[in-house]
Amino acid sequence: GEDVEQSLFLSVREGDSSVINCTYTDSSSTYLYWYKQEPGAGLQLLTYIFSNMDMKQDQRLTVLLNKKDKHLSLRIADTQTGDSAIYFCAERPGGYGNKLVFGAGTILRVKS
Amino acid sequence: NAGVTQTPKFQVLKTGQSMTLQCAQDMNHEYMSWYRQDPGMGLRLIHYSVGAGITDQGEVPNGYNVSRSTTEDFPLRLLSAAPSQTSVYFCASTMTGTGANVLTFGAGSRLTVL
Repeated sequence: GEDVEQSLFLSVREGDSSVINCTYTDSSSTYLYWYKQEPGAGLQLLTYIFSNMDMKQDQRLTVLLNKKDKHLSLRIADTQTGDSAIYFCAERPGGYGNKLVFGAGTILRVKS
Repeated sequence: NAGVTQTPKFQVLKTGQSMTLQCAQDMNHEYMSWYRQDPGMGLRLIHYSVGAGITDQGEVPNGYNVSRSTTEDFPLRLLSAAPSQTSVYFCASTMTGTGANVLTFGAGSRLTVL
């Protein structure tokens, strides 16, 4: 079945870049997503990438997709304390409509 | 435009009690879904619906029931609560179709079963 793996914790200093990594198993996934969850809140979409792209940039966020290795990463440039949150990677397996398979989430801690 | 609204935000139940978590969206989304979030396990799909009158099971449906009588509402029923159902529950919705169909999430409902 589908599975998404993420490292559980990342700690960076304010101003540094953060890189959160994710691996997924379903090679037919059409879209891959990054969601952010702040304490006590729901998930909000950060960005997504279509499976025929290998990079997407959106202001401080850069998503890299290596489809051969089924590896997705999210780079946050100039990380701020407000970026401290849980980041979820999710895949949308092909042929499964709108169902998403989520990773366990990476806790990002930004030290000032 | 309220988005996805979940009620209640917090609930404490005793084992064996039943309750309903409410979810409503005002975006005319055909697709609605329920996830539960547990530490270290991410979000797991409980049930979903692709339109009024149509529901289907997700990854962890046991102990839960859903119905979809209107486009706007998708309640989740716990039939006989168990401590294993202690979790944070999220409702999410989106349009159907072949685009990115980004899920919009509610703020969550934290349930504790004693």
